[in-house]
Amino acid sequence: EAQVTQNPRYLITVTGKKLTVTCSQNMNHEYMSWYRQDPGLGLRQIYYSMNVEVTDKGDVPEGYKVSRKEKRNFPLILESPSPNQTSLYFCASSWFSGSSYEQYFGPGTRLTVT
Amino acid sequence: DAKTTQPNSMESNEEEPVHLPCNHSTISGTDYIHWYRQLPSQGPEYVIHGLTSNVNNRMASLAIAEDRKSSTLILHRATLRDAAVYYCILRRDNYGQNFVFGPGTRLSVLP
Repeated sequence: EAQVTQNPRYLITVTGKKLTVTCSQNMNHEYMSWYRQDPGLGLRQIYYSMNVEVTDKGDVPEGYKVSRKEKRNFPLILESPSPNQTSLYFCASSWFSGSSYEQYFGPGTRLTVT
Repeated sequence: DAKTTQPNSMESNEEEPVHLPCNHSTISGTDYIHWYRQLPSQGPEYVIHGLTSNVNNRMASLAIAEDRKSSTLILHRATLRDAAVYYCILRRDNYGQNFVFGPGTRLSVLP
């Protein structure tokens, strides 16, 4: 089954404790992205990747890092999490359909930083 | 990317058609119109996209105004499962992966 998986789905952590949220897709998509979703602010893109070793900042990259060493994986790294990074995070992969990109989203990771 | 404007919320009865409007008066000639939806407790899912001509797929139809300053997502027979937030997004494809989601329209479907 074609899917984007994220782990963990739920995480409660403390300020400053480094964490990684993993994202994996089995569709051989070149493009992957990370979003955060907050009440009243909607979905905002954090980082995206056009291909292996090619990443770029989205609208809200501060406090996050990403890496793309393999095509299928795109982990999101919070080196020193802070309470304002409490949010619902979505990973997405996308492909070019011939006229435009279509994104497939993962189920989300709910992160709480205390 | 140009800005879109959608109603905050809409209501529909089950098994009736739903027309979800989107205004994008500053659209440029190369902007594609995308629609995604987000069901409760799930990630967004792709619905449909178009450039100039009306488009149909198994989920919905997209009607694009002749001047492209507005578009309408049409769900032909709403079901309870269609209750979701619907996002209209403009993207200057075919390059880059920067998507900008607005607040969307929350669609309620009444049985």
